[in-house]
Amino acid sequence: TQLLEQSPQFLSIQEGENLTVYCNSSSVFSSLQWYRQEPGEGPVLLVTVVTGGEVKKLKRLTFQFGDARKDSSLHITAAQPGDTGLYLCAARQVLSQGGKLIFGQGTELSVKP
Amino acid sequence: NAGVTQTPKFRILKIGQSMTLQCTQDMNHNYMYWYRQDPGMGLKLIYYSVGAGITDKGEVPNGYNVSRSTTEDFPLRLELAAPSQTSVYFCASSYRDFSEAFFGQGTRLTVV
Repeated sequence: TQLLEQSPQFLSIQEGENLTVYCNSSSVFSSLQWYRQEPGEGPVLLVTVVTGGEVKKLKRLTFQFGDARKDSSLHITAAQPGDTGLYLCAARQVLSQGGKLIFGQGTELSVKP
Repeated sequence: NAGVTQTPKFRILKIGQSMTLQCTQDMNHNYMYWYRQDPGMGLKLIYYSVGAGITDKGEVPNGYNVSRSTTEDFPLRLELAAPSQTSVYFCASSYRDFSEAFFGQGTRLTVV
């Protein structure tokens, strides 16, 4: 059973299109992070959200944390080939022992020129 | 800046062999993690540690052991390698609970 469900698992789009990736769970989280991973490398943090309803923007990327702190979304505007990679959400449960950082299964994004 | 360093980068093991994957960080982080990543998948937490002398199981601990005798080092031990342990292993560390996790370059392990 996957604690964090990401959708879609694969996404192939043309340069300039918009897209949204979702991260959902039945559990409540104290914080949620989004990472991006390129082939042969470890994941790198994009953003951390901690407050229900929080919206953070990073250039063309917009991150939202659900009001109930059970879900999150990543929206990319005018995607570019450089956005290609594996996008992972990660979270810590509210009642879990500190340190247990769990990842979703990832969304593989391919942006074609 | 070294950050999180994993060794080796690649390894081929025979079924039943043992090995230790090394991980060290120079950022004085309290939290350290071991993950495995199978092709096309996300990261599965194997073990984690919130400080020297403290370790706990993650989602997929069977077949692995860890120790944390110092803040810097968090080795992962495979006692009896099985083909199901073929994967890419990542070590990570973070300063505290809400902060960024920094990852090593990964160890690609094949068990034949």
